[in-house]
Amino acid sequence: GDSVTQMEGPVTLSEEAFLTINCTYTATGYPSLFWYVQYPGEGLQLLLKATKADDKGSNKGFEATYRKETTSFHLEKGSVQVSDSAVYFCALSDLSGGYNKLIFGAGTRLAVHP
Amino acid sequence: DAGVIQSPRHEVTEMGQEVTLRCKPISGHDYLFWYRQTMMRGLELLIYFNNNVPIDDSGMPEDRFSAKMPNASFSTLKIQPSEPRDSAVYFCASSLIFGDGANTGELFFGEGSRLTVL
Repeated sequence: GDSVTQMEGPVTLSEEAFLTINCTYTATGYPSLFWYVQYPGEGLQLLLKATKADDKGSNKGFEATYRKETTSFHLEKGSVQVSDSAVYFCALSDLSGGYNKLIFGAGTRLAVHP
Repeated sequence: DAGVIQSPRHEVTEMGQEVTLRCKPISGHDYLFWYRQTMMRGLELLIYFNNNVPIDDSGMPEDRFSAKMPNASFSTLKIQPSEPRDSAVYFCASSLIFGDGANTGELFFGEGSRLTVL
């Protein structure tokens, strides 16, 4: 079945460092891809998305490009801030069976220090 | 617009007691999902509904767990009897099958219900 694999955390960075969180997927068909973020004590919220190959999703300085040839959707940010400390989840939409559900990766915890 | 609303936010109960978690999805959304989050197992999909009908409950861990959606604006997740290993944060999420004219699958999450079973 469809699945998502993320790099294990925690990822610890200093403020203004460059961030990459790797995400690869296996899927039949052409899923949409998502990054969700969970701040401490809160639910998940959508960070960005891409619905087809070569699309780039972007939001709040974060970017990810849907790479069909490498089945990847890596999250990047050029200069992280302390406020970016959170858990980041990669996900894909599974439309098998004609119904829509999201499959999440295990999550990657990011800690940014001043 | 109000988001997904869950109650209670926190619940502490004793083993063997019945627990009922509640969710009000975003108005107009036709999918509703229940997830469980723990440190050990991450985010697990328990069950989801489409137009109030349960579609896939294969993630429900045991018969002690049950979920209902009597109407488009309300769902419950019940655990009876509860056990300490049920301690987790339970999230409800809703979505539209069609977003911006395309099936994007974006989910909107509630803030979660933190359950502690002693």
